[in-house]
Amino acid sequence: GESVGLHLPTLSVQEGDNSIINCAYSNSASDYFIWYKQESGKGPQFIIDIRSNMDKRQGQRVTVLLNKTVKHLSLQIAATQPGDSAVYFCAENPMGLTGGGNKLTFGTGTQLKVEL
Amino acid sequence: NAGVTQTPKFQVLKTGQSMTLQCAQDMNHEYMSWYRQDPGMGLRLIHYSVGAGITDQGEVPNGYNVSRSTTEDFPLRLLSAAPSQTSVYFCASSYYGSNSPLHFGNGTRLTVT
Repeated sequence: GESVGLHLPTLSVQEGDNSIINCAYSNSASDYFIWYKQESGKGPQFIIDIRSNMDKRQGQRVTVLLNKTVKHLSLQIAATQPGDSAVYFCAENPMGLTGGGNKLTFGTGTQLKVEL
Repeated sequence: NAGVTQTPKFQVLKTGQSMTLQCAQDMNHEYMSWYRQDPGMGLRLIHYSVGAGITDQGEVPNGYNVSRSTTEDFPLRLLSAAPSQTSVYFCASSYYGSNSPLHFGNGTRLTVT
């Protein structure tokens, strides 16, 4: 079946460095992708999204890159801070624009650890 | 705005017991859904609803029922709890009809003994 996967389960970075979290997707019909941050004991929190007609989208300290050719998604966090420590999930909407709402498919997550 | 509110936060059940997990949202979202989160499995869709009176099954619907009598509420019912249903349950909502991000509650941690 279709799946969304992450390359690394754990990523450790030094405070102040940039972080890059990667995600591979396999459903070529997906046209909407989201990154979520989940802190311990809380629900996933929306970070940034991107539609398939874009290659890059920037937010506050975060950038999402989409490479449709190789079906790859990445989240870049600039100047990583201790508060960025969390699990990060990528998600895709495999139904596309004509599909049933937001039946998102999630990856298994990457734990980001920020070392002081 | 409170966003998505889930109750209870924690629950322990014995095998065979039934219970209802509550979910309410105050954002006037048409779309609501339930996910379960297990270690190493990510989030898996249980049931979803695109509006009041309309529900449908997700990836792992067995053992769960839902109803949607109002736009705001989307309760999840466990009819006869089993240890395999030990998990963290998340309710999420969003606007329907265009791609918009799901907004999640803070979850209910359920243990079935």
